[in-house]
Amino acid sequence: DIQMTQSPSTLSAYVGDRVTITCRASQSISRWLAWYQQKPGKAPKLLIYEASTLESGVPSRFSGSRSGTEFTLTISSLQPDDFATYFCQQYHINSPYTFGQGTKLEI
Amino acid sequence: EVQLVQSGAEVKKPGTTVKISCKVSGYTFTDYYIHWVRQAPGRGLEWMGLVDPEDGGTRYAEKFQGRVTITADTSADTAYMDLSSLRSEDTAIYYCAFGRSSSTLSAEYFQHWGQGTLVSVSS
Repeated sequence: DIQMTQSPSTLSAYVGDRVTITCRASQSISRWLAWYQQKPGKAPKLLIYEASTLESGVPSRFSGSRSGTEFTLTISSLQPDDFATYFCQQYHINSPYTFGQGTKLEI
Repeated sequence: EVQLVQSGAEVKKPGTTVKISCKVSGYTFTDYYIHWVRQAPGRGLEWMGLVDPEDGGTRYAEKFQGRVTITADTSADTAYMDLSSLRSEDTAIYYCAFGRSSSTLSAEYFQHWGQGTLVSVSS
């Protein structure tokens, strides 16, 4: 299976900060990576797919990028609503779907 | 609007089977795969398997092979997930999710999710 290593596991930041979360795949997954936001007691919400495509309705302060097998989620200016847990997920064809361990973004 | 509505919380004894439903609306049920993902308390997300409602075809994570059965009832626009031989480690929130693909070269990301079903396994 493809392993997704996500870092950091916890991130403390202030409103207005620019933050970055990273996922590294254990092998090539091309651009087949999605990012999700999850708030306590809620289902995950899709933010980005295909490494850098913003899902409809997601604020433009969220962005994604890829460099080889390393993927980055950036929030350009943290808002109070952004404090949540973030997960990456790879969806390489013919491979079991796997997720990163999650990053809890704290105030 | 795409919606996935799951059945309610379950409390089960070890060794028994749980069946969770996921009723969809807002799109043609047979056009997209339905996936099941679980999340143990305080833990990450774990993919369990999928069903193609068009033909009933399934694919399961190796970890759950032999214990999980995912089906789809096209007459009711509902997918089901059965997990048998339950143990305490199966205590988790179980989610169904709508799989969407942006390319024929890829598998799916999960565009829409059900609200989750808590399954508690305890003697």
